[in-house]
Amino acid sequence: DAGVTQSPTHLIKTRGQQVTLRCSPKSGHDTVSWYQQALGQGPQFIFQYYEEEERQRGNFPDRFSGHQFPNYSSELNVNALLLGDSALYLCASRHTSGEGYTFGSGTRLTVV
Amino acid sequence: DQQVKQNSPSLSVQEGRISILNCDYTNSMFDYFLWYKKYPAEGPTFLISISSIKDKNEDGRFTVFLNKSAKHLSLHIVPSQPGDSAVYFCAASARSASGTYKYIFGTGTRLKVLA
Repeated sequence: DAGVTQSPTHLIKTRGQQVTLRCSPKSGHDTVSWYQQALGQGPQFIFQYYEEEERQRGNFPDRFSGHQFPNYSSELNVNALLLGDSALYLCASRHTSGEGYTFGSGTRLTVV
Repeated sequence: DQQVKQNSPSLSVQEGRISILNCDYTNSMFDYFLWYKKYPAEGPTFLISISSIKDKNEDGRFTVFLNKSAKHLSLHIVPSQPGDSAVYFCAASARSASGTYKYIFGTGTRLKVLA
């Protein structure tokens, strides 16, 4: 039973570019959240998707957008990349009636 | 504005002894709390949770205590094992008007269990 899978695992982008990160939730999970974890910090909530709609959003600018597909997979898009966007991006999934989230291993984004 | 705080960035404990990891929060609306463990190069792994209607939840070697009046929770690991060495995050959430939860994480405590 695959858990949460994220791709790619590592990515290097240039400032100003755009990036798309992908997430496949754990089987049976329908809710996906994205987190940004900077070095030495805890994960920071970006947004949550359920039934293909953004349900909640953290304190991130509009440059951060997302999408959830009918198969519950999700994408995180970041436009106009800044150096400060360099971080580990974590995708987490759960079933709406479940407990804690199951996290993927993350995508390490480096902006140069 | 750090709503969830883990004031100890690191902790070292001898194998077999008790590890106590602490977490403080400021938002009285939080009603669900979790602990996650994270190894290097892996995503966080859910460990244990507690609802605000309880003051204790136990799962094997792991026990979480919640003191709502002090807005404090702690994770006890007994006995500690070298494999427990990891970064531990506490997280808190409140149910939103739309019925969803978002989790606010602390900055983590690095636990090292010495053999």
